[in-house]
Amino acid sequence: QVQLQESGPGLVKPSQTLSLTCTVSGGSFSSGGYYWSWIRQHPGKGLEWIGYISSNGSPYYNPSLKSRLTISVDTSKNQLSLKLSSVTAADTAVYYCAKTKQQQLVPTFDYWGQGTLVTVSS
Amino acid sequence: QSALTQPASVSGSPGQSITISCTGTSSDVGYYNFVSWYQQHPGKAPKLMIYDVTNRPSGVSIRFSGSKSGNTASLTISGLQAEDEADYHCTSYTGSSTRVLFGGGTKLTVL
Repeated sequence: QVQLQESGPGLVKPSQTLSLTCTVSGGSFSSGGYYWSWIRQHPGKGLEWIGYISSNGSPYYNPSLKSRLTISVDTSKNQLSLKLSSVTAADTAVYYCAKTKQQQLVPTFDYWGQGTLVTVSS
Repeated sequence: QSALTQPASVSGSPGQSITISCTGTSSDVGYYNFVSWYQQHPGKAPKLMIYDVTNRPSGVSIRFSGSKSGNTASLTISGLQAEDEADYHCTSYTGSSTRVLFGGGTKLTVL
């Protein structure tokens, strides 16, 4: 049973960098050819895809966030990370990490973390 | 990235059936059979309920079914139960690795 757990600061100041980590357990992170994704949900709103990363570290970014976004993996720690720079109040959201069900870049996510709320405020 | 269109809310009584629609375009929902549906209870993470338009993951009740006609995918829940009250989100493959569409979400109320 794969489990994902997000961690990171719950409060970030405007213009600073939001940094989150997702730790994967219960399965081999680097094998299987799956993709890992960050997805966020603004308060009371729908889901917004942030980006994918393959277990070998190839990232795929939402064009609307690309200029501020870095997604990376650390296979030795079974972790993926998210860094979003120059944040504003519009980046306040619950951030989820998720795993693709298939070994392809199709948005079918079978395992999700519990989500972590990040608030951007001074 | 334009979102897929879902109704903001639907409702039904216990035992009834309801259908939630998810409308895209001929470039996404209408072209690919990669539509997924997620159930989300308040304060919880989304849960995969349907994938590849019609497939149910192991453990998901047979009361949940998916279909597609043209550019619109649908999630049908039969024999509504109180526990089905939640938000439901759809998503579709677009053929691009950097374009993932989600619907705006539909709040299901069980009366």
